Amino acid sequence: SQKIEQNSEALNIQEGKTATLTCNYTNYSPAYLQWYRQDPGRGPVFLLLIRENEKEKRKERLKVTFDTTLKQSLFHITASQPADSATYLCALPGGTSYGKLTFGQGTILTVHP
Amino acid sequence: NAGVTQTPKFQVLKTGQSMTLQCAQDMNHEYMSWYRQDPGMGLRLIHYSVGAGITDQGEVPNGYNVSRSTTEDFPLRLLSAAPSQTSVYFCASRVGGASTSTDTQYFGPGTRLTVL
Repeated sequence: SQKIEQNSEALNIQEGKTATLTCNYTNYSPAYLQWYRQDPGRGPVFLLLIRENEKEKRKERLKVTFDTTLKQSLFHITASQPADSATYLCALPGGTSYGKLTFGQGTILTVHP
Repeated sequence: NAGVTQTPKFQVLKTGQSMTLQCAQDMNHEYMSWYRQDPGMGLRLIHYSVGAGITDQGEVPNGYNVSRSTTEDFPLRLLSAAPSQTSVYFCASRVGGASTSTDTQYFGPGTRLTVL
């Protein structure tokens, strides 16, 4: 069955550094991959979508890469700020039924001032 | 637009009780889904709907029922609550169609359910 793994449960970095989060998947060839941000007590909020034919996508201080050979996506936050502290989730479309997403377990990012 | 709304925000049930978690969206989205989120498990799909009158099971459907009589509403029913259903429940919606540009899911604020 398809499986998604995010590299670590928690990541702690200093303000101003680049945070790099990893999302690996197996037994699947997704047409795209999404990243969401979730703050405590709130629902996830969509950040970025990257398609299988795109190597890299950027949005302000966010950068996502997608390597379909390695079956991996990297999510970077440059010049990180304490306000970036949150849980970040990667998600893949769930097979042929649209509207279904399969999520990784999330990585809790803490940016220390 | 209010987006996706969920009620209640918190609920405590006793084992065996039934209840309905409400979800509504005002974006005219065709697709709606219910997820549960447990520590270390990520979000898991319970049921989803691709339009009014059409529903299907997700990854963890047992113990839950859904119906979709209108585009706006997608209630989740717990028939006989069990402690294993203690979780945070999220409803989500998205625009219909098979385009990657429309697959962004919009989530509600969640319902925190405790079953004693």
